Amino acid sequence: NAGVTQTPKFQVLKTGQSMTLQCAQDMNHEYMSWYRQDPGMGLRLIHYSVGAGITDQGEVPNGYNVSRSTTEDFPLRLLSAAPSQTSVYFCASSSGLAGPTDTQYFGPGTRLTVL
Amino acid sequence: GESVGLHLPTLSVQEGDNSIINCAYSNSASDYFIWYKQESGKGPQFIIDIRSNMDKRQGQRVTVLLNKTVKHLSLQIAATQPGDSAVYFCAESHNNAGNMLTFGGGTRLMVKP
Repeated sequence: NAGVTQTPKFQVLKTGQSMTLQCAQDMNHEYMSWYRQDPGMGLRLIHYSVGAGITDQGEVPNGYNVSRSTTEDFPLRLLSAAPSQTSVYFCASSSGLAGPTDTQYFGPGTRLTVL
Repeated sequence: GESVGLHLPTLSVQEGDNSIINCAYSNSASDYFIWYKQESGKGPQFIIDIRSNMDKRQGQRVTVLLNKTVKHLSLQIAATQPGDSAVYFCAESHNNAGNMLTFGGGTRLMVKP
């Protein structure tokens, strides 16, 4: 049982490049979320999913796309990277059984730098 | 907009002392609060949570206090240890927000040996 895994751990992009951050969980959790964390700040929700085939926007969705084709995977796509997207990205999952009061389990993060 | 914030950005305590980390929230509809611990280079780790129908909840060496009147949340760590050194975040959610958590800005706890 690996929990929540994220790849890559580090990534450097040039402005305008695209890439996908991978997130997977093996706990059969329904809820999955993507957050970004900027220096000295808390986490901000980008997108979330309450189950396969269902996604919704969070607080800061612009510049990011998501899809949820399986329960296990929740990739985050940057279509045209911008320096403002330099951040640490965390994926989280929760069972969904208790709704908002579920404990969210976080992955180790992906540190992204956009030059 | 509504936000969750912290009073102190850095807290330094002596090993063995008790630590108190504070958090203020502004959304009166918040009904669920969580404290996370984040060590350097790692993702946030759940510590303890509390629902709005409670004032206090205790875990192992940690206690969360909720004062809904002044919209204030605190995390108390008893007998602070070097391994407690980390950044602590409070977060809140409410039933109308689905699975969305709103995080505060974080407090760095430094434990001096």
